[in-house]
Amino acid sequence: ELKVEQNPLFLSMQEGKNYTIYCNYSTTSDRLYWYRQDPGKSLESLFVLLSNGAVKQEGRLMASLDTKARLSTLHITAAVHDLSATYFCAVDKETSGSRLTFGEGTQLTVNP
Amino acid sequence: DGGITQSPKYLFRKEGQNVTLSCEQNLNHDAMYWYRQDPGQGLRLIYYSQIVNDFQKGDIAEGYSVSREKKESFPLTVTSAQKNPTAFYLCASSHRAGNTIYFGEGSWLTVV
Repeated sequence: ELKVEQNPLFLSMQEGKNYTIYCNYSTTSDRLYWYRQDPGKSLESLFVLLSNGAVKQEGRLMASLDTKARLSTLHITAAVHDLSATYFCAVDKETSGSRLTFGEGTQLTVNP
Repeated sequence: DGGITQSPKYLFRKEGQNVTLSCEQNLNHDAMYWYRQDPGQGLRLIYYSQIVNDFQKGDIAEGYSVSREKKESFPLTVTSAQKNPTAFYLCASSHRAGNTIYFGEGSWLTVV
């Protein structure tokens, strides 16, 4: 059974600081997704990582994937309050179709 | 505008009743999905469909049913057999395997 673990689950940080969210998964997969969710809202796609060594950046967020270590990271640079949200990683468990297994989510709070 | 439309946004159900959540997409996506989210948790896959007239069970299909008679529509019925249906339900779609999965705005179901 594929398991996806995120840490930390809760993260409180000050504006301007850097931090990394980690996503570990238990079985081989070449596709990993990062999503953002605001309270009571749907999920917004942030990144799709499709191969070992993939790195993608958008604004203050950068995601990377190491399929050999079964690890993805979401790095936050110089955090701002608007980044406060819950961030989910999800791993595709099948090569023939997209069946995502989600982590528990990391609830990020950026304090002024 | 292109997107995924879920309705209703809020729904109250009496115990023993079946309810159907609607999901329509005009993105011309082949694959559609239903996920369930409980408070403070990640998403779990209920059912998914990669093509019209075909669908597969996800990780928590018991107590739910779906149909895929049209490419753009994938309704979810929450039956009385689902013992704990109160949750946030998210419909999603994607072009094909490996592509980004986009989510609708979600439907809140509460059993009263």
